[in-house]
Amino acid sequence: SSELTQDPAVSVALGQTVRITCQGDSLRSYYASWYQQKPGQAPVLVISGKNNRPSGIPDRFSGSSSGNTASLTITGAQAEDEADYYCNSRDSSGNHLVVFGGGTKLTVL
Amino acid sequence: QVQLQQWGAGLLKPSETLSLTCAVYGGSFSGYYWSWIRQPPGKGLEWIGEINHSGSTNYNPSLKSRVTISVDTSKNQFSLKLSSVTAADTAVYYCAREDSGSYPYYYYYMDVWGKGTTVTVSS
Repeated sequence: SSELTQDPAVSVALGQTVRITCQGDSLRSYYASWYQQKPGQAPVLVISGKNNRPSGIPDRFSGSSSGNTASLTITGAQAEDEADYYCNSRDSSGNHLVVFGGGTKLTVL
Repeated sequence: QVQLQQWGAGLLKPSETLSLTCAVYGGSFSGYYWSWIRQPPGKGLEWIGEINHSGSTNYNPSLKSRVTISVDTSKNQFSLKLSSVTAADTAVYYCAREDSGSYPYYYYYMDVWGKGTTVTVSS
């Protein structure tokens, strides 16, 4: 399957914990990667693999996976975390395709 | 520090061919896949296709008939051509590097992105 499904919008109170999810058959074969995109900017990788954070990404960002669902958790959300978040992985059909989720708009209240 | 610099025409008329190039600075060109991704105004990311240093390509089936991605290893550059554009091709186009890992099982990620090129198709 070549689809990754995300909730369109999620909100979190400042300082609280929020989980953003991504569902798809391909996630049974591959880990998801997660990207943060702020208005007018290119996406930035925040999580790859099991739970790898690139240099410069705060440790309040973490990733997990179970079955066909991948999750991005922000523990202690900050105002600057308000952004769009996208998951992606490879398609599991063997066609070597890249797929993105539809994105989740995170609002920090 | 690897950087991607992209350029190309920003305003096209319907039926013309979109042409963008992405140059890789500060790192190896081999050992990675190099992707093009686009984002229509107010919408999400759409993968267009990718190429490696050997010229092996994969394309989004929905665009495959109109897309050509090529590589010039002598210049560490890769390029996108999208033919017969329409207003629906209006988007910000990004180039990106894709890396991969295999522990504890396979994963793929785009860790370096270009700044994006806004392409508008209008008569």
